[in-house]
Amino acid sequence: EVQLVESGGGLIQPGGSLRLSCAASGLTVSTNFMTWVRQAPGKGLEWVSVIYSGGTTYYVESVKGRFTISRDKSKNTLFLQMNSVRVEDTAVYYCARFFGYSSGSRNMAMDHWGQGTLVTVSP
Amino acid sequence: QSVLTQPPSVSGAPGQRVTISCIENRSDTGARYDVNWYQQLPGTVPKLLIYGNNNRPSGVPDRFSGSKSGTSASLAITGLQADDEADYYCQSYDSSLSAWVFGGGTKLTVL
Repeated sequence: EVQLVESGGGLIQPGGSLRLSCAASGLTVSTNFMTWVRQAPGKGLEWVSVIYSGGTTYYVESVKGRFTISRDKSKNTLFLQMNSVRVEDTAVYYCARFFGYSSGSRNMAMDHWGQGTLVTVSP
Repeated sequence: QSVLTQPPSVSGAPGQRVTISCIENRSDTGARYDVNWYQQLPGTVPKLLIYGNNNRPSGVPDRFSGSKSGTSASLAITGLQADDEADYYCQSYDSSLSAWVFGGGTKLTVL
């Protein structure tokens, strides 16, 4: 059974830094495409970042240059380093496996999700 | 404005059929991508419902089906049940944004 467990969320001031973790069991983070999705309170889902099995990374425009996705093979854990956070980054952050059902394209879906970790950015 | 437009809400009585639309609003005429659908029950984590326009992951009842034609995708739910009451999101990829995108979500109310 696949389990993804996020941690690291909390209350942080604007401009600060935070690192989110997503510990995986039942799947190998380094051989899968892994992604972060966030959901602001009472709002919809927003894709944030992805790391391919080969290490290529992509980000939504609003976090480029501030957030960094990475992974630790030995810990089978995915990370999201959040720097220069803003009030609008306040959200529940989910990690998920991003599986490609159509080879060589961007057609991918998120089939396993963690329970999420809440990040609150407030003065 | 989201690249993928969904109605904010839909409703239906138990046993009825409802559909939720997802319209692509893109200025580019480049590659089109598949649409996936997620269900988020109140207070829970999103769950993949449909991938690749019309494929159901294992365990998803066949009451849920998806379709896509041109720039319009739809999620259909037949035999509506009380526990189908949830938020539903479509998701795809936008090449002009170089990003995966979600629709704004549709709240399904079972009357």
